[in-house]
Amino acid sequence: AQKITQTQPGMFVQEKEAVTLDCTYDTSDQSYGLFWYKQPSSGEMIFLIYQGSYDEQNATEGRYSLNFQKARKSANLVISASQLGDSAMYFCAMRVINDYKLSFGAGTTVTVRA
Amino acid sequence: DAGVIQSPRHEVTEMGQEVTLRCKPISGHDYLFWYRQTMMRGLELLIYFNNNVPIDDSGMPEDRFSAKMPNASFSTLKIQPSEPRDSAVYFCASRPPGEETQYFGPGTRLLVL
Repeated sequence: AQKITQTQPGMFVQEKEAVTLDCTYDTSDQSYGLFWYKQPSSGEMIFLIYQGSYDEQNATEGRYSLNFQKARKSANLVISASQLGDSAMYFCAMRVINDYKLSFGAGTTVTVRA
Repeated sequence: DAGVIQSPRHEVTEMGQEVTLRCKPISGHDYLFWYRQTMMRGLELLIYFNNNVPIDDSGMPEDRFSAKMPNASFSTLKIQPSEPRDSAVYFCASRPPGEETQYFGPGTRLLVL
């Protein structure tokens, strides 16, 4: 079974600064995918970014980038130039190839201060 | 383009009653997932379908839970009888062919009294 660990229950960040959210994972599979989702206070789950285990480049999507370190089994999310609208819960998730379900971490709450 | 649609958005019911949650996936998506989110257990997969066929229901808590997908545009999750511990947010998500991303609906917030 896959395990996702997010060790930071909550973080504060100043507007316009960057923030890094930690995610480590445990799997014996060689082929897998890593995801980050955002859940604002309204409750919906918003897809942010995806990284495949065989992707050589770190994934980027606008202000979001994924710092993928395969040997360390970490997939940290970096949000650059934080905005007040970035205040939300952020979930790291993983799926192994040939199994389509996502396993989620416990989440990290980010609060952006003006 | 409409996203995943779930209904109702909120449901309050009494213990012992039947509850039916509904989901319309994004058109053209061939995978559909039901997740449950609670404070204690976080987000966990209940069941998923591929082309309307249930593939993995190992996350369904017990026989009180059942899910169906009669066609490509509709799925239901039924709880009968409901119990207070079923109180949670239930998400439906769908995935397009050949892509990794699962797109989530807005969720149904269920409260069983």
